[in-house]
Amino acid sequence: DTGVSQNPRHKITKRGQNVTFRCDPISEHNRLYWYRQTLGQGPEFLTYFQNEAQLEKSRLLSDRFSAERPKGSFSTLEIQRTEQGDSAMYLCASSLGLAGQETQYFGPGTRLLVL
Amino acid sequence: AQKITQTQPGMFVQEKEAVTLDCTYDTSDPSYGLFWYKQPSSGEMIFLIYQGSYDQQNATEGRYSLNFQKARKSANLVISASQLGDSAMYFCAMKGGSQGNLIFGKGTKLSVKP
Repeated sequence: DTGVSQNPRHKITKRGQNVTFRCDPISEHNRLYWYRQTLGQGPEFLTYFQNEAQLEKSRLLSDRFSAERPKGSFSTLEIQRTEQGDSAMYLCASSLGLAGQETQYFGPGTRLLVL
Repeated sequence: AQKITQTQPGMFVQEKEAVTLDCTYDTSDPSYGLFWYKQPSSGEMIFLIYQGSYDQQNATEGRYSLNFQKARKSANLVISASQLGDSAMYFCAMKGGSQGNLIFGKGTKLSVKP
């Protein structure tokens, strides 16, 4: 399977703990995006990378959130000192990043539950 | 500000019939892209169809077509010959020409009845 993969698929943690999610994009895609989706809503943009450079961050990405893409391949999203409001589906997507080829392909997501 | 509006929280359609899911958008960018995604209960967002703002013809992909009316700022998804497997959430999304991210609507839950 050459699609976007995400690990873990599910994560249950206690409030105050740190969690880290991983995303592996489609191999030839140079853009990688993180979104958050809460129940009954569409995905909301968090941040995106062009290769290893983080080009844009949403105001939703508080100081407790950090994302990296150190070698321009996989990416990690870390949430420090989790809060119950962080419970959501975290979606990763990738795209070629070329004009006319901007479709974002999504992974299966990581469901986070903060107790 | 850019915005996507989906006014139908839920829709029912009989198997084998066609259904139209509504989407209106707002943007000041002259160049933009419009997307439709399907999200089954498993959670994965599945890309269905794309329409560029400068495309002259409506996009089609198999049973999916996009009814693009630029002057009305609408980009409705038409699913022909509905199947039980089409039951899912459907999201309309937009990408402005100068930005990287997608902006999504709240989605429409489609239920296909046998």
